Amino acid sequence: AQTVTQSQPEMSVQEAETVTLSCTYDTSESDYYLFWYKQPPSRQMILVIRQEAYKQQNATENRFSVNFQKAAKSFSLKISDSQLGDAAMYFCAFLLGHEKLTFGTGTRLTIIP
Amino acid sequence: DGGITQSPKYLFRKEGQNVTLSCEQNLNHDAMYWYRQDPGQGLRLIYYSQIVNDFQKGDIAEGYSVSREKKESFPLTVTSAQKNPTAFYLCASSPGTSKQETQYFGPGTRLLVL
Repeated sequence: AQTVTQSQPEMSVQEAETVTLSCTYDTSESDYYLFWYKQPPSRQMILVIRQEAYKQQNATENRFSVNFQKAAKSFSLKISDSQLGDAAMYFCAFLLGHEKLTFGTGTRLTIIP
Repeated sequence: DGGITQSPKYLFRKEGQNVTLSCEQNLNHDAMYWYRQDPGQGLRLIYYSQIVNDFQKGDIAEGYSVSREKKESFPLTVTSAQKNPTAFYLCASSPGTSKQETQYFGPGTRLLVL
């Protein structure tokens, strides 16, 4: 079974600074997808970024980028130029096949004005 | 607007009562999912459906039931057999049954037991 670990329950960053959220996972498979989802106070899960395991290039979406280290099974999220609207719970998730997403326990990100 | 809707936003259940949570999507997605979220935890899969009139159990299906009579709709019933139903329930959908497709989520339903 796949597992996803987020070792930072809480993180904080000054507005306009950069923060990195950590995620590690465990799988014996080689072809899978990884995701970062954001859950603001409204509690809706919003897709931030996704990474295909077969791609060596790290995914980027505007201020959000990932550092995908397949051999180390690591998938960190970097948020640049942090904004107040980035405050939320961030969940790392693993997808194998077309069934369930396996989620980590989340990191609560606070933005300090 | 295209998207996933869930209703109601809040739902109260009395002891021994069955309640049904609604999930509708107009994205023309084939696959739909139900997840449960408890405080301090990630999401756990309850049921999923890849095609109309077919569905499979997830990791925590006991005490829940679903139906998929229409492509757009995937209602979840929380039965009296579910002893700890208080949680946040999220519905998701993905475009098709080919592998590894992104799942998109609805706004969720908060279920509370009276």
